[in-house]
Amino acid sequence: AQSVTQLGSHVSVSEGALVLLRCNYSSSVPPYLFWYVQYPNQGLQLLLKYTSAATLVKGINGFEAEFKKSETSFHLTKPSAHMSDAAEYFCAVSAYSGSARQLTFGSGTQLTVLP
Amino acid sequence: ETGVTQTPRHLVMGMTNKKSLKCEQHLGHNAMYWYKQSAKKPLELMFVYSLEERVENNSVPSRFSPECPNSSHLFLHLHTLQPEDSALYLCASSQDRPRNTGELFFGEGSRLTVL
Repeated sequence: AQSVTQLGSHVSVSEGALVLLRCNYSSSVPPYLFWYVQYPNQGLQLLLKYTSAATLVKGINGFEAEFKKSETSFHLTKPSAHMSDAAEYFCAVSAYSGSARQLTFGSGTQLTVLP
Repeated sequence: ETGVTQTPRHLVMGMTNKKSLKCEQHLGHNAMYWYKQSAKKPLELMFVYSLEERVENNSVPSRFSPECPNSSHLFLHLHTLQPEDSALYLCASSQDRPRNTGELFFGEGSRLTVL
């Protein structure tokens, strides 16, 4: 069984400041890991994914995440926040359940960007 | 049309009504999913169809009835719902075979309000 913990349900940063959203996972098999973003009244959009290649993964909109096996972490970062980054962010881990690979999501982190 | 399309985007229904949510994917995928997103709760996986066969039903009440007539279409039939069923219902698709990373492609969701 796999699980995901996102530390901090709400994070506020100033425009131009570093964004750091934390995610720790638990998985009995080597995981695939994902970050999704959800803007108000929309579905989830993939930001980036780790699928056992490079441990530092770059995604859309300037975001990146680093897979650290020793820390079971997959934190999301962006050097400089923009107002348009305000949204909810979900970390997810993927593993097989029966014949299908399924995602288990964290509870989400609401990012607020202050002017 | 591209991606995953959900209709209707908004639905208000009484507890005695019968309605359906529709999802269509234009990505050539072979697995489709229904998720429920309620305020202050993690995303809940409701149903998974892989190659048009249901492979997961996470103890969802029988007032929710899925239908997957082919790999491109997924329905969620609703009847005698309760106010606590009010939520955003998200449809997603993925490529389950030959290699599935678990990456999901989401629609924009159907916002359901039960009066």
